[in-house]
Amino acid sequence: GAGVSQSPSNKVTEKGKDVELRCDPISGHTALYWYRQSLGQGLEFLIYFQGNSAPDKSGLPSDRFSAERTGGSVSTLTIQRTQQEDSAVYLCASGDYEQYFGPGTRLTVT
Amino acid sequence: QKEVEQNSGPLSVPEGAIASLNCTYSDRGSQSFFWYRQYSGKSPELIMSIYSNGDKEDGRFTAQLNKASQYVSLLIRDSQPSDSATYLCAASGYSTLTFGKGTMLLVSP
Repeated sequence: GAGVSQSPSNKVTEKGKDVELRCDPISGHTALYWYRQSLGQGLEFLIYFQGNSAPDKSGLPSDRFSAERTGGSVSTLTIQRTQQEDSAVYLCASGDYEQYFGPGTRLTVT
Repeated sequence: QKEVEQNSGPLSVPEGAIASLNCTYSDRGSQSFFWYRQYSGKSPELIMSIYSNGDKEDGRFTAQLNKASQYVSLLIRDSQPSDSATYLCAASGYSTLTFGKGTMLLVSP
């Protein structure tokens, strides 16, 4: 079946602009996760959605970051007033027990 | 602070050898453990999961778990150049995974 998809695959933006990253999870998965991975670094947890429960936002690095999940399916991660340190690969994963990752969005802030 | 520790490597092995990748974790409450393979420029790919003490085999891969020692390992038999990648160990807590920073494996022909 179809895996996790993310769009765009690459995004270049100017410092101070807002960006939206999209994730389509595997159909039927109630759990959805966002991570980011900076060059040569490990995976940094950002936010977790489980069904209709309130999301676990404990990993969001600042209030410029927010995410929503509509209808228990598609999720959007929004970064406001982007900074150069936001440059990273943003990964989405879904899975109710084992997590399966999408291909990621490479964000470059110039 | 939940932590998962891995040697960053690189671990270099010749083709056909056994590669042994190790991981320790700090949270005794962790119940499930996962190994992911990440090729350069790609996203992590789940290759093994293990929940009980002992060994779990899947093809050329064997995961080993020792909860008393808080230790997880991955053995890759008959290593191939295509196995060259970074291997991430992850431990599950209540709802999220904590990942190690990964061990780079290099398999030389």
